[in-house]
Amino acid sequence: SAVISQKPSRDICQRGTSLTIQCQVDSQVTMMFWYRQQPGQSLTLIATANQGSEATYESGFVIDKFPISRPNLTFSTLTVSNMSPEDSSIYLCSAKEGSGAGETQYFGPGTRLLVL
Amino acid sequence: AQKVTQAQTEISVVEKEDVTLDCVYETRDTTYYLFWYKQPPSGELVFLIRRNSFDEQNEISGRYSWNFQKSTSSFNFTITASQVVDSAVYFCALSEARGGGADGLTFGKGTHLIIQP
Repeated sequence: SAVISQKPSRDICQRGTSLTIQCQVDSQVTMMFWYRQQPGQSLTLIATANQGSEATYESGFVIDKFPISRPNLTFSTLTVSNMSPEDSSIYLCSAKEGSGAGETQYFGPGTRLLVL
Repeated sequence: AQKVTQAQTEISVVEKEDVTLDCVYETRDTTYYLFWYKQPPSGELVFLIRRNSFDEQNEISGRYSWNFQKSTSSFNFTITASQVVDSAVYFCALSEARGGGADGLTFGKGTHLIIQP
């Protein structure tokens, strides 16, 4: 299975600032995704990071708030912009590996963000 | 739109008991994928199983087994002879096939499983 790493693993930020989270996969993957997990909650898909084109955002998430880059098939970044305490969450990157009946999604360890 | 319901918020059992985690899903697609993930207290999300909508065969992996029933839109997960290390939050998730491949996941709210020694 793909091994996914994220940086930073955690951070404490001041409101109004921005944080960029990096996601690195140890092999080329077709699709990468970003999820948010608010405290004690389930995971919610933020967007699909498309290689070579703009990310596809889910309802309730916008590019100005969560700009995403995917410069190649192994790397993606998510920026949380103009942060507020409500953005305190775990942000997880995932990658789709395999094809057809063998496809699955693996997750990185997450980035724990606390906004003061 | 797709939806995943895990009605059991928390389950507590004594070690060695069998326990079943329920998952009911909703989708309008005929092709979709179902997943179970485990999230231990350390926080990482561990992939357990993926099942395709066209494959209703149940699966067993050691103490874990999964029962997929399209007729009731359920994909339940049973742990046999539970152990303390099984304590975690378990998430059921659904992906609808778009453009020929599985897409982002819709997660249930999770079931917090507590195994008491």
